[in-house]
Amino acid sequence: ILNVEQSPQSLHVQEGDSTNFTCSFPSSNFYALHWYRWETAKSPEALFVMTLNGDEKKKGRISATLNTKEGYSYLYIKGSQPEDSATYLCAFMGGNKLVFGAGTILRVKS
Amino acid sequence: SAVISQKPSRDICQRGTSLTIQCQVDSQVTMMFWYRQQPGQSLTLIATANQGSEATYESGFVIDKFPISRPNLTFSTLTVSNMSPEDSSIYLCSVELAGRFYSYNEQFFGPGTRLTVL
Repeated sequence: ILNVEQSPQSLHVQEGDSTNFTCSFPSSNFYALHWYRWETAKSPEALFVMTLNGDEKKKGRISATLNTKEGYSYLYIKGSQPEDSATYLCAFMGGNKLVFGAGTILRVKS
Repeated sequence: SAVISQKPSRDICQRGTSLTIQCQVDSQVTMMFWYRQQPGQSLTLIATANQGSEATYESGFVIDKFPISRPNLTFSTLTVSNMSPEDSSIYLCSVELAGRFYSYNEQFFGPGTRLTVL
């Protein structure tokens, strides 16, 4: 059974703070690591698909890094805004299926 | 990309009843996926639905409990049968299409159906 863990489970920050969360996944049979943002009552939206060890991706104030040898990925948000409030999911692809973590719930207070 | 709608968006049901969730996609797709997220848990794949064949269920999920229909390439239904409070979850359908990430397919999700079983 593949295990994908995310930490912390939830996070409350002030507007303007920078924050980061972790996704841990199996270091063997790695194919890709996906990050999603899931706002309440909306569809989960893909942020990044990462495939190579050492990959760094950036989209606006959000960036992610990948370490496939040790099995972790970090998601960073610089200068958090209230609209960043959402659940952030990572998903590991080691074969032909996505295995999701339980997510990190981010709440940004203005 | 794909736009996916689900009905109902939420429901509160009594124990022992069944609920059918509909998923509509704005383009033709071969495979559709059904997931659920129980409170505090990971998004978990229930089954993969191919048009014209029986759905393929993941370990721990059975057709009698979660019958799936796939009558055409843009539509699918998932029924949650003989519900108990443990079935309270968010149920999502999704499809996999070429997206924005070079050669890797992107998974597009519906907005989910939030089910509460009393």
